[in-house]
Amino acid sequence: GQNIDQPTEMTATEGAIVQINCTYQTSGFNGLFWYQQHAGEAPTFLSYNVLDGLEEKGRFSSFLSRSKGYSYLLLKELQMKDSASYLCAVKDSNYQLIWGAGTKLIIKP
Amino acid sequence: DAMVIQNPRYQVTQFGKPVTLSCSQTLNHNVMYWYQQKSSQAPKLLFHYYDKDFNNEADTPDNFQSRRPNTSFCFLDIRSPGLGDAAMYLCATSRGLAETDTQYFGPGTRLTVL
Repeated sequence: GQNIDQPTEMTATEGAIVQINCTYQTSGFNGLFWYQQHAGEAPTFLSYNVLDGLEEKGRFSSFLSRSKGYSYLLLKELQMKDSASYLCAVKDSNYQLIWGAGTKLIIKP
Repeated sequence: DAMVIQNPRYQVTQFGKPVTLSCSQTLNHNVMYWYQQKSSQAPKLLFHYYDKDFNNEADTPDNFQSRRPNTSFCFLDIRSPGLGDAAMYLCATSRGLAETDTQYFGPGTRLTVL
């Protein structure tokens, strides 16, 4: 079966750095997406990786290793507004998105 | 601004009473999706349209139907809502189905079933 694993919950301090990991086992791979979802709201697109390596976008970076079936989202200079769930999703061989359940990130002052 | 719009944002219905949720988009995207998301769970794809071609997920209950009368609009019909259908319903669009085609979401409709 297809599977995306992420930690259920993480806690970090305002101003710090946090890394949210995602491991996947899917039938085929056509890219990995990270979305941010605030409570009660829709997911918003953060990043896309299809090649190995690090993609940097402001305070957020996303890393991919296809051989290890592994990605992480790195958030720097954490702000209170970063408190949200972060969802990892992989496009499989049928170009369908397979979603993780999300990691709830709690930021403390 | 180009966007995905869902109405209503909150919907309350009674057990067994049909309900329709709507989604519209100004992105001119070819693909429209309906997802169901329950608290602390991954979004679950119900179906999607590529233009007028309807694609139903194998495990989507028959109670859920969809219509796409034109490029801009897509509707989700729940024929006889049960208590287990209470959830957030998310509409998303993408330009196509290629690997780089990102899905963009509307704000969602939270459905309560009494």
